[in-house]
Amino acid sequence: EVQLLESGGGLVQPGGSLRLSCAASGFTFEDYAMHWVRQAPGKGLEWVSGISFNSGRIGYADSVKGRFTISRDNAKNSLSLQMNSLRVEDTALYYCAKDFGGGSYGIPDYWGQGTLVTVSS
Amino acid sequence: EIVLTQSPGTLSLSPGERATLSCRASQSISSSYLAWYQQKPGQAPRLLIYAASSRATDIPDRFSGSGSGTDFTLTISRLEPEDFAVYYCQQYGSSFGGGTKVEIK
Repeated sequence: EVQLLESGGGLVQPGGSLRLSCAASGFTFEDYAMHWVRQAPGKGLEWVSGISFNSGRIGYADSVKGRFTISRDNAKNSLSLQMNSLRVEDTALYYCAKDFGGGSYGIPDYWGQGTLVTVSS
Repeated sequence: EIVLTQSPGTLSLSPGERATLSCRASQSISSSYLAWYQQKPGQAPRLLIYAASSRATDIPDRFSGSGSGTDFTLTISRLEPEDFAVYYCQQYGSSFGGGTKVEIK
């Protein structure tokens, strides 16, 4: 069974930093691309970032480009999102998600339960 | 960046009725690169359709996807009580549409 467990969320002031982590199990992590997707309270889904199976291809939404960095450690079956220069509008539930296919990132098929990030003074 | 616009914003229907949801892209996209999701309150999204028309694992055949170019459609042939939820389209590796809420009339 695919399991994705996010951690690292919390309350941070505008301009601050936070690092999210995702522990993956139940599938061969090194074979699959991964994603971060967020959802602001009461709002829709926003794709944040994706990373290919071998970190060779990485992409970001325009809203986070230059501020967020996605990375993965295939030896530890883990995915991370370093978030810097946080803004109030980054407040959201952040989901870690496994890609549907192997290789480069396309669409998520399995999702964690999310970790809440609140940016507020 | 391609923008996906979903309509209507809310669809009020009764169980047993047919639901037709639209997703329109600001530029043409390959039909291989369009997916649909269902999200219920308090839950993570669930992948329903990939490559515009292929059902994901364990998705009932009352769900179907179609379309190409800039216009895509998700159809639920006969609404079951568990189908009342919010539905999103997504271009592969990119943005989601704003969502359509299917509510009980």
